[in-house]
Amino acid sequence: GAGVSQSPSNKVTEKGKDVELRCDPISGHTALYWYRQSLGQGLEFLIYFQGNSAPDKSGLPSDRFSAERTGGSVSTLTIQRTQQEDSAVYLCASSWTQTPGELFFGEGSRLTVL
Amino acid sequence: QKEVEQNSGPLSVPEGAIASLNCTYSDRGSQSFFWYRQYSGKSPELIMSIYSNGDKEDGRFTAQLNKASQYVSLLIRDSQPSDSATYLCAVTGSSNTGKLIFGQGTTLQVKP
Repeated sequence: GAGVSQSPSNKVTEKGKDVELRCDPISGHTALYWYRQSLGQGLEFLIYFQGNSAPDKSGLPSDRFSAERTGGSVSTLTIQRTQQEDSAVYLCASSWTQTPGELFFGEGSRLTVL
Repeated sequence: QKEVEQNSGPLSVPEGAIASLNCTYSDRGSQSFFWYRQYSGKSPELIMSIYSNGDKEDGRFTAQLNKASQYVSLLIRDSQPSDSATYLCAVTGSSNTGKLIFGQGTTLQVKP
């Protein structure tokens, strides 16, 4: 498709399990962002990629969170040993390098940790 | 102090009125400023970007930037019920890494 694609759209997991969330950006977009949005809250910045490198990882909440991007395209956000407070919608967005900040968002992955 | 601050609202205006949404930011070196709209249960979508002081108009929307006051606003003229949504202000930092920080959003309700 032409837009940002995220999978899974919904994930229910048990506390302590690991989860992987995938993001496929718009073709040609070199910048890729991950945000987290809890119910009724704003967007919490997690990590930003320019190509395959991550100039800014400052938003990752703990060392249980990691992200990678390969081939300058698909990105995976991994949460290890999930906790109930990790429950949120995880949003991925991409943009052209020339227009940082003009983001195109995917539909999000809703994570529920029981 | 939060990096980007908005009044959470809700801001309620009658149909046809002007809605005024405000945002302040803490990083004086910020370069780029954006307004996103988020309908309930949906992802944010970009509606305006502004990079220099002054006003920028696009249809019924006007973005205003005052870097000296570290203040950004969005005016929506002739508000429609379909404008009812949460409006998110977003700002890039002075470090120019591309990191985009969002405010908490202001919920706008346009009543018929």
